[in-house]
Amino acid sequence: QSVLTQPPSASGTPGQRVTISCSGSSSNIGSGHVYWYQKLPGTAPKLLIYKSDQRPSGVPDRFSGSKSGTSASLAISGLRSEDEADYYCAVWDNSLTGWLFGGGTKVTVL
Amino acid sequence: QVQLVESGGGVVQPGRSLRLSCAASGFTFNTYAMHWVRQTPGKGLEWMTFISSDGSGKFYADSVKGRFTISRDNSKNTLSLQMNNLRAEDTAIYYCTRDLPNTGFDYWGQGTLVTVSS
Repeated sequence: QSVLTQPPSASGTPGQRVTISCSGSSSNIGSGHVYWYQKLPGTAPKLLIYKSDQRPSGVPDRFSGSKSGTSASLAISGLRSEDEADYYCAVWDNSLTGWLFGGGTKVTVL
Repeated sequence: QVQLVESGGGVVQPGRSLRLSCAASGFTFNTYAMHWVRQTPGKGLEWMTFISSDGSGKFYADSVKGRFTISRDNSKNTLSLQMNNLRAEDTAIYYCTRDLPNTGFDYWGQGTLVTVSS
């Protein structure tokens, strides 16, 4: 069981907005930036959001991130079929002296 | 273009050892910290270990501390992971990934599968 808690699944119809939460603690999310990765089956993870709310070049602005206290969230607006994937939050943990990944959220486009 | 290519995976019996390699190209390898991250079957991503750009700094997840050793050869642009005393729960796809400061793990290899089974 991950120290970072994500819902196991989320879903929406094309065009809808989906939000994924990531809950941590003061030693990780509460004291640092959150990163989000997209994982499609059979492919390597892809960086979606860095420093909690920044998008790397090439990532559509449909993806947005935010952080408040010891929680963070990833929002996907204008949901598209190609967004169907697993999404992971990640953060450095000062107590563990290591990186943590959330358990992952499977997004299904209905 | 940036490329990370893992190799060395395979089937190994519990208690045995395996060494993974990651060949880097397309960037100045000795200026980037690197990590190993794994994905266990049907489960999520798990960070394993970090090494600084010059190899002097290393961190490990508790699950592999004392069993796995990360190293790098900057003259050969190669990252390695020595895995000893392997367990069934180490069965996973192992990815090497580049650490871009303040940006995260920006490039990943395609992964190499390690299966620990008798």
